[in-house]
Amino acid sequence: QVQLQESGPGLVKPSETLSLTCTVSGGSIDSYYWSWIRQPPGKGLEWIGYIYYSGSTSYNPSLKSRVTISVATSKSHFSLKLTSVTAADTAVYYCAREDPTTAIFAWGQGTMVTVSS
Amino acid sequence: QSLLTQPPSVSAAPGQKVTISCSGSRSNIGKNYVSWYQQLPGTAPKLIIYDNNNRPSGIPDRFSGSKSGTSATLGITGLQTGDEADYYCGTWDSSLSAGVFGGGTKLTVL
Repeated sequence: QVQLQESGPGLVKPSETLSLTCTVSGGSIDSYYWSWIRQPPGKGLEWIGYIYYSGSTSYNPSLKSRVTISVATSKSHFSLKLTSVTAADTAVYYCAREDPTTAIFAWGQGTMVTVSS
Repeated sequence: QSLLTQPPSVSAAPGQKVTISCSGSRSNIGKNYVSWYQQLPGTAPKLIIYDNNNRPSGIPDRFSGSKSGTSATLGITGLQTGDEADYYCGTWDSSLSAGVFGGGTKLTVL
């Protein structure tokens, strides 16, 4: 059964770039879609975007100008970069495996990222 | 504001049944499958319904899903205190080419 684990800094300064990595184990990164979802404290889920193992991407229009998702298949991980962060980007960030036409089948445990000086 | 509308909260007694609605539009629920997620306090969301009405392995048949037009419903029968959680609907929006979630519903088992 596939397992996902997020890693990265828990504190990012305003205007800087948030960078997170998701390590995939227990299964191949090939032939699947890999996503990032976030949840601000006390609020609901927000889909950030996905990358297919081949490299094609789709992003939330509200974040598209600031988001980049990349994949390193040989290393079984994928990454998120979010530029020019503000306090509104403070959230728990989840990585996940999804089928865009169906559902998000597997989730990481999530990592809290706080944007503050 | 979420593109999918859920009631903020629902409640029922142990052993009873509860339903949670999720209302969308033609571009999301109207065209695509709906999934449902259970988020217990302090944990990551967990898939409980996919493709409108299918349960992943290990999810009890007390959980069911349905879809009609631009709305979907999650049903939970035989409520247990362990079912207290936030529940989210999700789907794909074909106009946005993006995933979308409902705002979430907090289930209280009285």
